[in-house]
Amino acid sequence: SAVISQKPSRDICQRGTSLTIQCQVDSQVTMMFWYRQQPGQSLTLIATANQGSEATYESGFVIDKFPISRPNLTFSTLTVSNMSPEDSSIYLCSVEDPGTDTYEQYFGPGTRLTVT
Amino acid sequence: AQSVAQPEDQVNVAEGNPLTVKCTYSVSGNPYLFWYVQYPNRGLQFLLKYITGDNLVKGSYGFEAEFNKSQTSFHLKKPSALVSDSALYFCAVRGLPGANNLFFGTGTRLTVIP
Repeated sequence: SAVISQKPSRDICQRGTSLTIQCQVDSQVTMMFWYRQQPGQSLTLIATANQGSEATYESGFVIDKFPISRPNLTFSTLTVSNMSPEDSSIYLCSVEDPGTDTYEQYFGPGTRLTVT
Repeated sequence: AQSVAQPEDQVNVAEGNPLTVKCTYSVSGNPYLFWYVQYPNRGLQFLLKYITGDNLVKGSYGFEAEFNKSQTSFHLKKPSALVSDSALYFCAVRGLPGANNLFFGTGTRLTVIP
């Protein structure tokens, strides 16, 4: 299994500003995923981040709004840019188990973002 | 496209009684199915998975799930519910063949009543 930490755990931000969320994994992983969980709703994949290449974004999410960095195999950041109240959500990073063919994903504790 | 449905937003069960949380799926290719649990103010925790093999899979905290191909279901079960099982449960299916991401159901809030 993998242990994942996220910073910050929560933040309250003003509209129009940006917030960068950090995700750190205790082992090297190929793929990292960023999800959004809006209040009372399920998780939606924002993008997949591979080390050494551009992130792949899902429909409805764009790089200008959610730029992602993946500088190495244990770390990634997600920035929520030019925030509006609609961006208030929990943001979670996840990784697939670095073991072979387990297909299990492990999630960080999440970053609870409130935009005022 | 891959999708899962959790028909019940809320399930209430008395402590000590068996519990079932329902999930149905629609996939292209073989289904890789998962259950996750989310406790208040905490991230998602992996409970169990079905990839191949026995239709009844056992997971953490005494939970199990039965894969039923003909009914395209993957219901989560536990013989005797605990108050500490109260949480939000998500069913998920792996993305299209070759993809690694997960598609999640809308979640079912389980409340175990003492």
